[in-house]
Amino acid sequence: GIQVEQSPPDLILQEGANSTLRCNFSDSVNNLQWFHQNPWGQLINLFYIPSGTKQNGRLSATTVATERYSLLYISSSQTTDSGVYFCAVPNTGKLIFGQGTTLQVKP
Amino acid sequence: KAGVTQTPRYLIKTRGQQVTLSCSPISGHRSVSWYQQTPGQGLQFLFEYFSETQRNKGNFPGRFSGRQFSNSRSEMNVSTLELGDSALYLCASSEGLAGYTFGSGTRLTVV
Repeated sequence: GIQVEQSPPDLILQEGANSTLRCNFSDSVNNLQWFHQNPWGQLINLFYIPSGTKQNGRLSATTVATERYSLLYISSSQTTDSGVYFCAVPNTGKLIFGQGTTLQVKP
Repeated sequence: KAGVTQTPRYLIKTRGQQVTLSCSPISGHRSVSWYQQTPGQGLQFLFEYFSETQRNKGNFPGRFSGRQFSNSRSEMNVSTLELGDSALYLCASSEGLAGYTFGSGTRLTVV
């Protein structure tokens, strides 16, 4: 089955810094989502991005489907950005998740 | 537009008991899928229901079951609870290529 790998596994930033999270997938996909898991456990949808680039405020994402990777950019990070970031791809009716990147933003 | 609603938010059960969790999808969404999240195993797929039919099932024992009603609300049941069933259970609703939206989750603790 399709494999999804995220890097780095952990990231510590000072408030105001920028960061890039990466998601590699082993096969072609027709969709990819980025989620932020908040401290209470809910997965918040950040981007639905099968290809191309999207931006939402300080966050943006780029998926290069032909090269099987996606990037999530966080600019001017804030302490509220802390948490776990997951990418996930759909495969035969289910989402395949990466192992996540745990981001800690220090004040 | 209301989001995905999961109830209850927290549960504490004793080994050997059974538990039922509920998920109400976004209005108009016919697909509901369930995931288990544990620190060691990450997010793992349990099953997916579409229009009252189970379409996909993950690699979990038969103690884990589910169903979907005609209004698309779904329930999952875990019988004969084990300590290892302690986890966050998340459900997601989807429709077509619109992507998945998750509920707030049910945190189950088995003691």
